[in-house]
Amino acid sequence: QSALTQPPSASGSPGQSVTISCTGTSSDVGGYSYVSWYQQHPGTAPKLMIYDVSKRPSGVPDRFSGSKSANTASLTVSGLQAEDEADYYCSSYAGSNTLVFGGGTKLTVL
Amino acid sequence: EVQLVQSGAEVKKPGESLQISCKASGYSFTSGYWIAWLRQMPGKGLEWIGIIYPADSDTRYSPSFQGQVTISADKSISTAYLQWGSLKASDSAIYYCARPILMIRGVPDAFAFWGQGTMVTVSS
Repeated sequence: QSALTQPPSASGSPGQSVTISCTGTSSDVGGYSYVSWYQQHPGTAPKLMIYDVSKRPSGVPDRFSGSKSANTASLTVSGLQAEDEADYYCSSYAGSNTLVFGGGTKLTVL
Repeated sequence: EVQLVQSGAEVKKPGESLQISCKASGYSFTSGYWIAWLRQMPGKGLEWIGIIYPADSDTRYSPSFQGQVTISADKSISTAYLQWGSLKASDSAIYYCARPILMIRGVPDAFAFWGQGTMVTVSS
């Protein structure tokens, strides 16, 4: 069982927006501004999409955005495209010498 | 261009030892950057194993993996290692090395660069 809770699946049609949630506790997501999101296509390594809750690394489209409210972080993908179909994982600094991850959400573009 | 190139897939028997590697290029291996290892079990999410600072071999482990594996580095060849002394079937997974953007009190923040992964299969 993962430390952070994500919905197992999410979906949307091309052009639509979809939001994936990541729920933790006040000891991880709610206690720090160190939430990250990764995209993973089958058979490939994860790719960093968002870090420090809402920062985008160079090269990541601005269709991807992150936010946080209390113990829940969110990743929003706007203007869905076929290539956005992938697994998405959140992570959070959790103090006490540890970093925790969510179980992942499979995003399907209908 | 930062690149992390991992060693190839391994098939081992329970009780055997194993060391996998991660060779870094495109940046100075010993200038301010840490290298982490993560595990992804079949069909599951990611788990942080631990991290090393190659310049002085300072190593930190996730409490879940402390004592289960050993992380090391050889700065002369810009390579980090993950080692098992006695493998178990439950060690079967894909292992990734990755370089974090920054560290927070000894814990990586986010991983900007990733190796391609090494699949480890442990089966009798």
